[in-house]
Amino acid sequence: DGGITQSPKYLFRKEGQNVTLSCEQNLNHDAMYWYRQDPGQGLRLIYYSQIVNDFQKGDIAEGYSVSREKKESFPLTVTSAQKNPTAFYLCASSMSLVNTEAFFGQGTRLTVV
Amino acid sequence: QQPVQSPQAVILREGEDAVINCSSSKALYSVHWYRQKHGEAPVFLMILLKGGEQKGHEKISASFNEKKQQSSLYLTASQLSYSGTYFCGTEINAGYKGTARQLTFGSGTQLTVLP
Repeated sequence: DGGITQSPKYLFRKEGQNVTLSCEQNLNHDAMYWYRQDPGQGLRLIYYSQIVNDFQKGDIAEGYSVSREKKESFPLTVTSAQKNPTAFYLCASSMSLVNTEAFFGQGTRLTVV
Repeated sequence: QQPVQSPQAVILREGEDAVINCSSSKALYSVHWYRQKHGEAPVFLMILLKGGEQKGHEKISASFNEKKQQSSLYLTASQLSYSGTYFCGTEINAGYKGTARQLTFGSGTQLTVLP
């Protein structure tokens, strides 16, 4: 079955540690996205990528980093520079054409203590 | 920049209608609508491209006014299953000729349908 997989579902980290969230898709989609979801603030775009080895900052990129070494994978690293990292993180992917929908993973809930 | 959604929350009785609005300060190429149930991933409802088209999916339809950079989602004769948070997503470019697709979402509208 084709889809987009995020792992782990729940993640706990100590303050000051970097943590990497995984996102893998087997839909052969070119575009991939990372969003952060906080109560009352909707989905805020962190980073997005259209092709391998290329990605752009979204609205809230500070404190985050990404890589796109393979078309199928778009991992997100939450660095110690992110002041409020506790949140629900969603990864999505879509085809290149703008008239196609985005597919979302099930999300990773990150808690930093 | 995130599009602006209104209202932030709506409470309905089963069978009533609702309208959710989405507006942007930038010229839009497309508008997406998604619904998210609590603890789940957002699920796609529909896309509208510039040209003022209106789309429908059973009792859920939407319009897109590209001149005003506004879109509205219409839920008719609401059902209990319509409960959830609705998000509009907007794109300001066509995503071709090497331009990356940038899909930006609003803050959401929480819809509650009561029996």
